Amino acid sequence: NAGVTQTPKFQVLKTGQSMTLQCAQDMNHNSMYWYRQDPGMGLRLIYYSASEGTTDKGEVPNGYNVSRLNKREFSLRLESAAPSQTSVYFCASSEGGEGQPQHFGDGTRLSIL
Amino acid sequence: EDKVVQSPLSLVVHEGDTVTLNCSYEVTNFRSLLWYKQEKKAPTFLFMLTSSGIEKKSGRLSSILDKKELFSILNITATQTGDSAIYLCAVEARGNEKLTFGTGTRLTIIP
Repeated sequence: NAGVTQTPKFQVLKTGQSMTLQCAQDMNHNSMYWYRQDPGMGLRLIYYSASEGTTDKGEVPNGYNVSRLNKREFSLRLESAAPSQTSVYFCASSEGGEGQPQHFGDGTRLSIL
Repeated sequence: EDKVVQSPLSLVVHEGDTVTLNCSYEVTNFRSLLWYKQEKKAPTFLFMLTSSGIEKKSGRLSSILDKKELFSILNITATQTGDSAIYLCAVEARGNEKLTFGTGTRLTIIP
């Protein structure tokens, strides 16, 4: 009963390094999302994908890229990490369409020094 | 810009107490309001509310939406230590799958 799986769980990077966060879901969901969660800021949407082959920007897309590799997988890439990107990153998925709740992975805690 | 405000920011109560968490919102073309519970890791879905005045209930948790006054409350009765968590409120607009989240209420239950 995996649901949404994120890897890695923890990562420390140096400023300027690149990194890809992986997300996979086994619920045959159409839509997938990437959020970041910072203290006092709540969850903020970075990018989302309403279906395989499509991606759209969310509230805070700068400094990130995404790839919807197939229906199951949605990756988030930091090309040149900055300390401001230190955060907890959550991937989520839903069946898609309105009125469908999103289901979240356990998160990736990323620290950038 | 859509906005969600939750109150209080944090709350500490004794086991057995009843708590009420608040969520007010501003959203263009409202579709639904969702409540999530976040313990150590993933937020887990609790309720989705779309109609005003209809209570959703699950065990000791219940929630209701007031679309006229633009708010929702989440009630937890007979609280237990396992209810300790951050409770997140989010809204969804029509024609848009994106959720806008509040900053959450951190609830701590003291044995």
